[in-house]
Amino acid sequence: AQTVTQSQPEMSVQEAETVTLSCTYDTSENNYYLFWYKQPPSRQMILVIRQEAYKQQNATENRFSVNFQKAAKSFSLKISDSQLGDTAMYFCAFMLGFGNEKLTFGTGTRLTIIP
Amino acid sequence: DGGITQSPKYLFRKEGQNVTLSCEQNLNHDAMYWYRQDPGQGLRLIYYSQIVNDFQKGDIAEGYSVSREKKESFPLTVTSAQKNPTAFYLCASSTRDGAQETQYFGPGTRLLVL
Repeated sequence: AQTVTQSQPEMSVQEAETVTLSCTYDTSENNYYLFWYKQPPSRQMILVIRQEAYKQQNATENRFSVNFQKAAKSFSLKISDSQLGDTAMYFCAFMLGFGNEKLTFGTGTRLTIIP
Repeated sequence: DGGITQSPKYLFRKEGQNVTLSCEQNLNHDAMYWYRQDPGQGLRLIYYSQIVNDFQKGDIAEGYSVSREKKESFPLTVTSAQKNPTAFYLCASSTRDGAQETQYFGPGTRLLVL
């Protein structure tokens, strides 16, 4: 069974600074997908970024980027130029390859952006 | 607008009562999912369906039931056998975007026991 670990329950950072959220996972599979979801106070789950394990290049989406270290089974999220609207719970999630679409979530990191 | 809708936003259940949570999507997605979220925890999969008239148990299916009679709809029933139903319930749907699936979520239903 796959597991996802987020070791930082809470983090805070000043507005406009850069913050990195950590995520590690455990799997014996070679093909899989990793995701970061954001859950603001409205509790809507919003996809932030995704990474295919077979791609060496780290995914980026505007101010959001990942550091994917496959050998270390690490998948951290970097938020640059943080904004007040980035305040939310952030969940790391894992999905096996094509045909098995179950998402396994970590316990989340509560990120607060300080004005 | 395309999207996933869940109703009601809040739901109250009395002891011994079955309640049904609605999930509808107009995204033409084939697969739909139900997750449960408890405080301090991530989401856990209850049931999922990849095609109409077919569904599979997730990690915590006991005390829940589902149906998938239409592609657009995937209702979840919380039965009286679920002894601790108070939680936030999220529905998701997915499409295969290239070679991978991406799940998109509805706004959720908060279930409270009276």
